[in-house]
Order: sequence, then structure tokens, then C-alpha cells
Amino acid sequence: EAGVVQSPRYKIIEKKQPVAFWCNPISGHNTLYWYLQNLGQGPELLIRYENEEAVDDSQLPKDRFSAERLKGVDSTLKIQPAELGDSAVYLCASSPGTSGGANEQFFGPGTRLTVL
Amino acid sequence: AQSVTQLDSHVSVSEGTPVLLRCNYSSSYSPSLFWYVQHPNKGLQLLLKYTSAATLVKGINGFEAEFKKSETSFHLTKPSAHMSDAAEYFCVVSAYSSASKIIFGSGTRLSIRP
Repeated sequence: EAGVVQSPRYKIIEKKQPVAFWCNPISGHNTLYWYLQNLGQGPELLIRYENEEAVDDSQLPKDRFSAERLKGVDSTLKIQPAELGDSAVYLCASSPGTSGGANEQFFGPGTRLTVL
Repeated sequence: AQSVTQLDSHVSVSEGTPVLLRCNYSSSYSPSLFWYVQHPNKGLQLLLKYTSAATLVKGINGFEAEFKKSETSFHLTKPSAHMSDAAEYFCVVSAYSSASKIIFGSGTRLSIRP
């Protein structure tokens, strides 16, 4: 069974440019998460989807970040415009069911973003 | 509100000796608690989870953790460290509700001395 797929794995952009990350969760997993992980820190939840619905986006900086999960399968996270402080690893995870956070999350390898 | 505190940013033990990684939490709801491991250049992987069943939880690779409500702790232990255990470990708290928040600790880096 394929795991969570993320692309690209690495991205280097200049500040003020837009960038997008793509995630394909494990087949059949209803819940999808996007996290931001700064160097030496734990992941911080940006947004959680249950099927197509964003059930928790309270930590998503909505002035520059947006996300979508059309058809309740794969998802895209966008930053526009990127700032220097956005340099981090962006992780996608998925889990089966919708039991409000009690399920195991399966993580992708992440996208390492560098903003110059 | 929820929070999680990993009390040690770095733990170093000798191979074959016990491992203790400490985690304290706070939660307004009955929490689910997890330990994840992150090896260099690899994705996060679940070690074990507590979801209101047995308070002593056994995970993969010989790790276990005990949920102590009175102490609000969920420490991770292993009787005998192996070189392959060197990694970053994250304690995670999540409330068991539809409006749950998922909070990762700041991580504990485990080093194993030969």
C-alpha cells in the first residue's frame, strides 16, 4: 500500500513569490492534515480536513495561506506571497475515519521550503 | 485548552541501558496521547497511543508508556536502548472531541552512546 505522497520534496523560491504544495493521502483515509515544522521544533497543525470540509483551520494564516481538498482526496496548500519566515518543512498526514484526533496519523516525507 | 511539555530537549544514554523520555500534558477534555518518532530524513512514525483504554501502552520496538492522570504525564520508556533508537521523539496530545486540537511537543532528541 502506498503511503502519503507529497510533492515537490524541495522548493526554493524568492520572497514574495507564490508556492504550492501537493499531497495525496493514503487511499480511503478521510482525514487529512497539513503541518508546518520549523527546524528543531515539533510540527504545528495548520489545517485539518474531514473529507472535503476544513474542520480546523484556526492556525492557518489566512492572509497568505490557503488550502483546498477538492473531492475529499488530494489536497493543495498554497502560500502567496511567501515570506522569509515561511522557510520550513511542510508535512502532510492522513488518518482513517473522523474520530476527532484519536486515530494514528500517517505522515508523508514533507516538502522543504526555502525562501530567499 | 491543551498543551504538551517535553521536559528534556536532549537525552543521551548508553546502548543497553534504559531510556526515559518525559512528557507532561494538560487538556480540558479526556485526551488521546501519542508518541511519534522521526528518524533523520524519514517521515514521522507512530510508536504508540493511549485512547482511554489500558493505562500502560505497549508500542513498537520495545517502547511503552504509562498514562498517569494524577500526574498528567505520559512518559516513554524502553528497558534497553539500541543504536537504532537514535532519533527525535514527539509527544502529542489530542482531545477526543469533534473540535479537537492536536498539539505536538517540541521534541526530545535521543542519542545512544556505544
